[in-house]
Amino acid sequence: AQKITQTQPGMFVQEKEAVTLDCTYDTSDPSYGLFWYKQPSSGEMIFLIYQGSYDQQNATEGRYSLNFQKARKSANLVISASQLGDSAMYFCAMRELVEGNTPLVFGKGTRLSVIA
Amino acid sequence: GAVVSQHPSWVICKSGTSVKIECRSLDFQATTMFWYRQFPKQSLMLMATSNEGSKATYEQGVEKDKFLINHASLTLSTLTVTSAHPEDSSFYICSARKPRAREQYFGPGTRLTVT
Repeated sequence: AQKITQTQPGMFVQEKEAVTLDCTYDTSDPSYGLFWYKQPSSGEMIFLIYQGSYDQQNATEGRYSLNFQKARKSANLVISASQLGDSAMYFCAMRELVEGNTPLVFGKGTRLSVIA
Repeated sequence: GAVVSQHPSWVICKSGTSVKIECRSLDFQATTMFWYRQFPKQSLMLMATSNEGSKATYEQGVEKDKFLINHASLTLSTLTVTSAHPEDSSFYICSARKPRAREQYFGPGTRLTVT
């Protein structure tokens, strides 16, 4: 069974600084995808970044980058130049890329607070 | 990007009544939709996988007779909370994925309060 672990319930970061949100995962399937979502107080789930298990390079999307260490089974999200609008819950999620429609499984989340 | 809508966005109902939540994929056909529940300050927990034209697959611990899921068309799935109780108060979020796509799109969620 797949499992996602986010060990940081809450994080604080100064505006304009970089922050790393931790995520480790466990799966027996060699083909999987890792996702990060942002959930502001409105409740909507905003897709941020994706990393496939066979991708050779770390994914980047604007100020978001994913530090993918396959051997350690970690997929940490790095947010550079934090902005006040980055304050939200952040969820790491995984999906096994097998045939059929497998669902996303989420970690417990990390609440990020950006301080001016 | 793809859009998933939910209706209603919030609902208050009395204990013992039933509530139906609709989830629509607006610009793509979704053979599979997923229903999640999120309690305050907690993560999204998968309740069930809804398959068009067939029975839903429920996660362990989710009562299928209480949470009725119907996926009657390629763009609509409904979740009915039957005989709702205060402990069913939660944020319900549906999600869908385009065929062969990696990204999963989420609806805006429905906040259910049972009094």
